Amino acid sequence: SQELEQSPQSLIVQEGKNLTINCTSSKTLYGLYWYKQKYGEGLIFLMMLQKGGEEKSHEKITAKLDEKKQQSSLHITASQPSHAGIYLCGADLLRSGSRLTFGEGTQLTVNP
Amino acid sequence: NAGVTQTPKFQVLKTGQSMTLQCAQDMNHEYMSWYRQDPGMGLRLIHYSVGAGITDQGEVPNGYNVSRSTTEDFPLRLLSAAPSQTSVYFCASSLGTSAYNEQFFGPGTRLTVL
Repeated sequence: SQELEQSPQSLIVQEGKNLTINCTSSKTLYGLYWYKQKYGEGLIFLMMLQKGGEEKSHEKITAKLDEKKQQSSLHITASQPSHAGIYLCGADLLRSGSRLTFGEGTQLTVNP
Repeated sequence: NAGVTQTPKFQVLKTGQSMTLQCAQDMNHEYMSWYRQDPGMGLRLIHYSVGAGITDQGEVPNGYNVSRSTTEDFPLRLLSAAPSQTSVYFCASSLGTSAYNEQFFGPGTRLTVL
């Protein structure tokens, strides 16, 4: 089983709708990263969260970290076709400061 | 800045062949790493390096070798390719000697082993 579980695995929304992607860990989180990947391309860094309760926003994307639940959520407001892609969460589960574990990713499709 | 570059973009190998995937970065980053991405498995760490001359194993190191003779380059070697190594390989780098900084990813190398 994956140590980092993402849900949903895939999501199809109409342009303009809000959506949330979750990332849940079976272990303590020592740093949580969100990346976006376009098909066939590398990963683009979105945000990093380190402290429980931390919340960061970039344009229409907001990420939160719930340390007690060992969970992070990524929320997109008023989705646009440009938001389409694969969203991956990554975390340091070993407190190594150097080894990241990634979830399987959530495939987001935004229909115009 | 070119960022993180990877060559080749695509490669087909026969079982038993060897090859080296190249990765270079021009950002003077100390930390570099290699991941493989497989359907249903997400990204898995193969090897990483916290500076020239220092490398360590990640989650799935078997069948792969690395070395770090310069800050800029971090090649990944497959000594005897196997079909199980068919995957997309990503190289990443970050400032500082940990993964707690933004990791910049290369465009990937799509490898098929027949």
